[in-house]
Amino acid sequence: AQSVTQLDSQVPVFEEAPVELRCNYSSSVSVYLFWYVQYPNQGLQLLLKYLSGSTLVKGINGFEAEFNKSQTSFHLRKPSVHISDTAEYFCVLPSNTGNQFYFGTGTSLTVIP
Amino acid sequence: AAGVIQSPRHLIKEKRETATLKCYPIPRHDTVYWYQQGPGQDPQFLISFYEKMQSDKGSIPDRFSAQQFSDYHSELNMSSLELGDSALYFCASSLGTENEKLFFGSGTQLSVL
Repeated sequence: AQSVTQLDSQVPVFEEAPVELRCNYSSSVSVYLFWYVQYPNQGLQLLLKYLSGSTLVKGINGFEAEFNKSQTSFHLRKPSVHISDTAEYFCVLPSNTGNQFYFGTGTSLTVIP
Repeated sequence: AAGVIQSPRHLIKEKRETATLKCYPIPRHDTVYWYQQGPGQDPQFLISFYEKMQSDKGSIPDRFSAQQFSDYHSELNMSSLELGDSALYFCASSLGTENEKLFFGSGTQLSVL
């Protein structure tokens, strides 16, 4: 079965500090993985995606993620966060058939001034 | 660039009323996905369509139905609305099974009073 687990439901971090949001996946086949961000009262915006090739993926707003097949992880990182990064972050795994997408339960990132 | 368009952006209904949510995918996209996101919850997959046929079904109540039309837009019909149906309803589109190119709409915020 396919699934996505986000290990941290809430992550508070001080402004300009680094942050890592953790995501682990379960899948028996080759995977694509996405990170989406949802700002308060807004829709989902794609941060970055892993399709194939380089395991280090760079996205928008200074975020990056590393695909680790042996650890079945796709953790999201940013070296220095800003207040504007306060949002909900979702790790997403497409199903094998492509007919739906599995969402993690989300990580609420709060950047503290 | 054109994005996924959802209408209306906001909808207020009373219990036992009906509602219709519309989704217009990105031009040439033939696959549509519907998700429901309750307050503070992660998005839950409802249903998806490919080439006007239902391709997958998730936790969609029997009171809900959906279809994809010849122009690939999709409508989610909701009857006998309940308070618990209050949520943000997302539509996403992609081209066939190329789910690495998935785009989300901004959602319809449904409030059932």
